Amino acid sequence: GAVVSQHPSWVICKSGTSVKIECRSLDFQATTMFWYRQFPKQSLMLMATSNEGSKATYEQGVEKDKFLINHASLTLSTLTVTSAHPEDSSFYICSQGAGEAQEQYFGPGTRLTVT
Amino acid sequence: GQNIDQPTEMTATEGAIVQINCTYQTSGFNGLFWYQQHAGEAPTFLSYNVLDGLEEKGRFSSFLSRSKGYSYLLLKELQMKDSASYLCASMDSNYQLIWGAGTKLIIKP
Repeated sequence: GAVVSQHPSWVICKSGTSVKIECRSLDFQATTMFWYRQFPKQSLMLMATSNEGSKATYEQGVEKDKFLINHASLTLSTLTVTSAHPEDSSFYICSQGAGEAQEQYFGPGTRLTVT
Repeated sequence: GQNIDQPTEMTATEGAIVQINCTYQTSGFNGLFWYQQHAGEAPTFLSYNVLDGLEEKGRFSSFLSRSKGYSYLLLKELQMKDSASYLCASMDSNYQLIWGAGTKLIIKP
């Protein structure tokens, strides 16, 4: 399978500030990566699909101006949470598809806490 | 609409066998996936079924019936480390994964 890293693994920030999360594909060139959010005891929620060299595709209800996605290279996608609020506190996970079934391989996740 | 149903929580005993069921309704079908997620961690891929039948992988097996929109994950010889949430996901015609809410499996000694 594919190996995906994320940085940082956890971050605490103040309300109103912005936070950037990096997602790297370590052994695979990923034209597409996925960004998920997961609140405690809930399932994964797909936020957006990140496409290398083009604009991300956002799911309904996800504000593209608040969650900025950049996929400038085949190995790096970033998610920036702008003007963060306490309700943005969540577990953010990126993934990429690989293998015959295009099964998704996830990064370790980033736990964001906004105070 | 698209929907995935799986039990919220199950309890089993160490050394035993447990079956976690999943029913799905998606627009088109390109496969059924099972993932394991330990608390506080990201999901890890367990299995993929696109044809009817049973796929065995060590202690874990996954079954699919496309006509019934049904899958199950079978875990044998349960170990304490198997305590986790198990997520069922169906890939629709757009190759997008539709996720279930997960089944929290509690293993008791």
